[in-house]
Order: sequence, then C-alpha cells, then structure tokens
Amino acid sequence: QSALTQPASVSGSPGQSITISCTGTSSDVGGYNYVSWYQQHPGKAPKVMIYDVSNRPSGVSNRFSGSKSGNTASLTISGLQAEDEADYYCTSYTSSSTLVFGGGTKLTVL
Amino acid sequence: QVQLQQWGAGLLKPSETLSLTCAVYGGSFSDYYWGWIRQPPGKGLEWIGEINHSGSTNYNPSLKSRVTISVDTSKNQFSLKLSSVTAADTAVYYCARAILYHLDVWGKGTTVTVSS
Repeated sequence: QSALTQPASVSGSPGQSITISCTGTSSDVGGYNYVSWYQQHPGKAPKVMIYDVSNRPSGVSNRFSGSKSGNTASLTISGLQAEDEADYYCTSYTSSSTLVFGGGTKLTVL
Repeated sequence: QVQLQQWGAGLLKPSETLSLTCAVYGGSFSDYYWGWIRQPPGKGLEWIGEINHSGSTNYNPSLKSRVTISVDTSKNQFSLKLSSVTAADTAVYYCARAILYHLDVWGKGTTVTVSS
C-alpha cells in the first residue's frame, strides 16, 4: 500500500487559518469516510484530532476541522496558535482492511 | 481512563527478532482492536498491524511476511514480533487502541535500535 500524499510543510501566522491536504485513491480516502488526523509534538506520541473525516474527539479544540472531497481529505486549523506547531499525519482505512498513513506535514507557526 | 504500557528489548543485532508487549489498563479489552505503529528516526508513521481479543489480525502488506501480532486476554496484553530485523527496522514503536478505524489511545513508545 502506498502512503497518502501530504505536503511536507505548511506555515501560518498566529490567528490565521491553514489547510493541510491528504490525497489518496478510491481504495482508501475516496472509498471510505474513515480518514483521521493526528498531531505529534517532538518526542511525544501522536494524538488524534479528527476521526471519520470530520469528527472531533472530546477535548479537541473546535479550531480543528476536517473535510473530504473525492480522494482528498483536508485538515483546517483556524485561529492558529503557537501550540499548534507540530507534525500532522492523516490516515485512512483501506480496501485491504488496513490503515495507511500520510507522509506527514510539519506545521510552522511564524 | 485507559492506559497502555509497553516494553521490550531496545537493542537488537541484524537478523534477530524484535519482541514488544503492550499491557492495557482500564476500560474494555474485548471491544477494540489493538495495534502497532512505528516511526523511524526523523521520518513518518507507519502502521504495522492490529489484533482483536479473539486473535483476528490485519497486517501491513509490506511487513506481513515478518510480523506476528498475538494477544493474551488473560493479562489484557498484546505483543509484536518482527523477525529478521535490519537497520531499516530501527524506530520508535508505539502500541495503540483502535476504535472504528482510528487510534484513540497511544502508548509512550519504545525505541528499538538495530545495530551490529
């Protein structure tokens, strides 16, 4: 299975909004509403921020939102804060009953 | 509150077998799948595979020939074995709880280094 495609890096200033894309195929992202997004700070375990394309777990800020169109899913972070600076990974369920991760995106808050 | 505690050998020689175990504390063990994910130094996350309480497994096709995930329901534990390791298997290995195709609880990670 091939990794989902994410931009290597994105950046934004505090208060701005950014969007991270995650592109797959009809066998993963496009075929199922099982895309999730993870935030990972250096030296820490990942934390789920969005699941099932657009659902937020309890305790996750409503500044984080997710969507999907065709084979591409997106994570949007509004009102950027310094604490949002981290690596972000998408995952999707696949037609082989597996999970596949994206390559990861480094978010820099300027 | 569910917590995952993981352990295992941190230094291996090429061709040896990696062995890690993850214990689940709190919450139901039988209602979920339990998975393993790894992250090579400076690189992204890679899903390795998962298992449920009855032993049903799913594996990453790229690792399937070398991976075995097993479960011990009497101890609420699950384990990972990866055979014939090479330097490319050097990574932080995480265990995690899988709920409906996402990973909602993670262990702290175990660093495994393969070096002669």
